Amino acid sequence: DAKTTQPNSMESNEEEPVHLPCNHSTISGTDYIHWYRQLPSQGPEYVIHGLTSNVNNRMASLAIAEDRKSSTLILHRATLRDAAVYYCILRPSQILSGYSTLTFGKGTMLLVSP
Amino acid sequence: DGGITQSPKYLFRKEGQNVTLSCEQNLNHDAMYWYRQDPGQGLRLIYYSQIVNDFQKGDIAEGYSVSREKKESFPLTVTSAQKNPTAFYLCASSTGAPTNTEAFFGQGTRLTVV
Repeated sequence: DAKTTQPNSMESNEEEPVHLPCNHSTISGTDYIHWYRQLPSQGPEYVIHGLTSNVNNRMASLAIAEDRKSSTLILHRATLRDAAVYYCILRPSQILSGYSTLTFGKGTMLLVSP
Repeated sequence: DGGITQSPKYLFRKEGQNVTLSCEQNLNHDAMYWYRQDPGQGLRLIYYSQIVNDFQKGDIAEGYSVSREKKESFPLTVTSAQKNPTAFYLCASSTGAPTNTEAFFGQGTRLTVV
């Protein structure tokens, strides 16, 4: 599976925007970019995913570079409840490979200060 | 409510005993997964199943066994052959939708072997 590179940790202040980067220089043309987050002692929670175009949902925005070798998860206004480990994951297309699994790295720990 | 239920939340066992972790989903998902998480680490795939009565080994299957007799259930047995069984175990499920929809995770079972 293609690998991703994320900073170990980032800090933010409450109500400020947060930009979480992810590098994936070996991404293949059919890999989807997924983001999950995990609060302490809980299971991961889906945040957003995309293929080529930028994506928005109620939780966050995903900005994908034109060459797809990097992406950025954007939390528009961080809250204390957003403090978690954020995982950037490349998931092979299920059209070609059938069911595909999620391969987790260590992610980025986001610390949010009041 | 639809979702994934893992039980129990905490489990203690003596070394040398087999133990079975429960995972049930009512999302009508075909695919189910078991992951293991050690402190400060990302999730590692143990086993996954794409359909009833079929399953495949993940990256760290040694010392574990699974069954998939029903679509809703995917129990994991941690056998005495697993050298370091103390960990946080997470179950997940997803559809096989071609556009790579999200995976849903349970709240995890924290297993401690003494």
